[in-house]
Amino acid sequence: QVQLVQSGTEVKKPGASVKISCKASGYTFTSYAFIWVRQAPGQGLEWMGWISTSNGNTNYAQNLQGRVTMTTDTSTSTAYMELRSLRSDDTAVYYCARVEDTIMALDYWGQGTLVTVSS
Amino acid sequence: IQLTQSPSSLSASVGDRVTITCRASQGISTYLVWYQQKPGKAPKLLIYAASNLQSGVPSRFSGSGSGTDFTLTISSLQPEDFATYYCQQFNNYPITFGQGTRLEIK
Repeated sequence: QVQLVQSGTEVKKPGASVKISCKASGYTFTSYAFIWVRQAPGQGLEWMGWISTSNGNTNYAQNLQGRVTMTTDTSTSTAYMELRSLRSDDTAVYYCARVEDTIMALDYWGQGTLVTVSS
Repeated sequence: IQLTQSPSSLSASVGDRVTITCRASQGISTYLVWYQQKPGKAPKLLIYAASNLQSGVPSRFSGSGSGTDFTLTISSLQPEDFATYYCQQFNNYPITFGQGTRLEIK
């Protein structure tokens, strides 16, 4: 069965960086792209960016350009999202999700990773 | 592309029929997806391509619309349906979500 398992809770100081992993299993990793989404406490869903697992192409949200990097490791079927220069308003739960191109939807999601940015 | 959901919150009773709307700021054909999210959980895919029910989702959920106006309907609310619902457009990047509709028990 398809599973996306994310790394654990992070607490960071302003200005630091965080790198979250999303390990996929139960399907061919390179057949599906990933999207990263975040959700601030009590707020809605915000798209952060997209990465192709077949060629590494990326497309980032404009408001995160320069601070975010998405990568994949096909040898371990893992996607990564790094966010730098963290601010308090980056405090959120971060999700990875698989893109099912045939239906243009996010059909499987990771369990979420809470990142708290606080001095 | 901005997506505007209405209402933002809704109180209803078990057995009620409820409809949530999602309006896009420009035409998105049928590249519209609906998700359900419960507290502390990741979103769950309900409807894709505006009207197609994801495998395993109960048939009381249905979606319709194209272009700029879309609806999600729950025909007879069950206790497990009380959650927040989001629409999402997949027509082009940046992908955007509606602000969410919180469905509460009356």
